[in-house]
Amino acid sequence: SQQGEEDPQALSIQEGENATMNCSYKTSINNLQWYRQNSGRGLVHLILIRSNEREKHSGRLRVTLDTSKKSSSLLITASRAADTASYFCATALGGGADGLTFGKGTHLIIQP
Amino acid sequence: EAQVTQNPRYLITVTGKKLTVTCSQNMNHEYMSWYRQDPGLGLRQIYYSMNVEVTDKGDVPEGYKVSRKEKRNFPLILESPSPNQTSLYFCASRGLMGTEAFFGQGTRLTVV
Repeated sequence: SQQGEEDPQALSIQEGENATMNCSYKTSINNLQWYRQNSGRGLVHLILIRSNEREKHSGRLRVTLDTSKKSSSLLITASRAADTASYFCATALGGGADGLTFGKGTHLIIQP
Repeated sequence: EAQVTQNPRYLITVTGKKLTVTCSQNMNHEYMSWYRQDPGLGLRQIYYSMNVEVTDKGDVPEGYKVSRKEKRNFPLILESPSPNQTSLYFCASRGLMGTEAFFGQGTRLTVV
């Protein structure tokens, strides 16, 4: 079953602007992860935030997690053309459950 | 270099002809998973394995088999492929529950 749902499905912005993507999920989680996928290639891990964390930074990336609302956001600041990709959130349930469950992704286009 | 290797990268086959997609990881990870990615549906988990000789069904296991005889290898077997199994397939591995996943480069399968 699809655990995470990203919003919006697609986003087009100008280079230099900030991009925000959201992820909602349904059940309690151990952690939430964000991945990037360049066209047709394998996913690459960006950042992991645990259920007891509220915010995390990595370079130009900022992730927030609100477990009460079962939602997360990924902010990419000062976007670049190379950030054009699809972005997926993935949830890990913990407690001996199965692997990561991915959403359908947000396709981000950075206009030069 | 830490990596997940899938083979082949591209495969065109005919309905009913058994095929195997191999997956190997060099990180001594416990978890390995297979996903398929289809337009508008995101990544859906086919099968996963928590360790040698331990496998379980994901969300879309019908028509697929897997085996985990060695920790590093997790082949995906299509005993009798059908056109609805035309898709982009990814193998992934990760360590103890909740850690980041490493993805292979994908196998684009076309069944005619």
